[in-house]
Amino acid sequence: SQQGEEDPQALSIQEGENATMNCSYKTSINNLQWYRQNSGRGLVHLILIRSNEREKHSGRLRVTLDTSKKSSSLLITASRAADTASYFCATDPETGANSKLTFGKGITLSVRP
Amino acid sequence: NAGVTQTPKFRVLKTGQSMTLLCAQDMNHEYMYWYRQDPGMGLRLIHYSVGEGTTAKGEVPDGYNVSRLKKQNFLLGLESAAPSQTSVYFCASSRLYGAGGAHEQFFGPGTRLTVL
Repeated sequence: SQQGEEDPQALSIQEGENATMNCSYKTSINNLQWYRQNSGRGLVHLILIRSNEREKHSGRLRVTLDTSKKSSSLLITASRAADTASYFCATDPETGANSKLTFGKGITLSVRP
Repeated sequence: NAGVTQTPKFRVLKTGQSMTLLCAQDMNHEYMYWYRQDPGMGLRLIHYSVGEGTTAKGEVPDGYNVSRLKKQNFLLGLESAAPSQTSVYFCASSRLYGAGGAHEQFFGPGTRLTVL
């Protein structure tokens, strides 16, 4: 069963604009992660936010987490054509030996030069 | 470091044939995973392993078997392939992400399997 659901399913923006992607989930989590997948490639870890955190930054990425609304958002600032990819949120309800990620269906981001 | 590698990259099978997908990682990670990715479905966990000699079922384990005889290798087997197993298969390994027990996963490039 899919835990995280991303919104929108597809997003097209101009280079230099900001891209905001949202993820909603259903059950309580220990942490939430965002991954990127370029066409024909494996997923690459972008950022992780724990359930006791509200916001994290990594370079041009900003992720927020609202556990009361069971939602997260990923903001990519000053987008580049190279940011064109699919983005997935993944939720982890537990830690340690029982840690397993459940992925959403992904958001397709297109950044026009 | 090669990271996570998968063999083969592409394969076409006929219904009923068997095959083994090999995943190898050189990062000394304890945890390894097999996923399948289908259009519009995201990634779904097939089986996973929390250490050498251990395996466990994920969300969609039927029709697949796995083995983790060596820490660096995780094998996924299809005993009797079916068209419903046409998919892209990804292997991943994970390491602890700071304190608190969270895991960051590292993915291989994928194996595209077609079952006719």
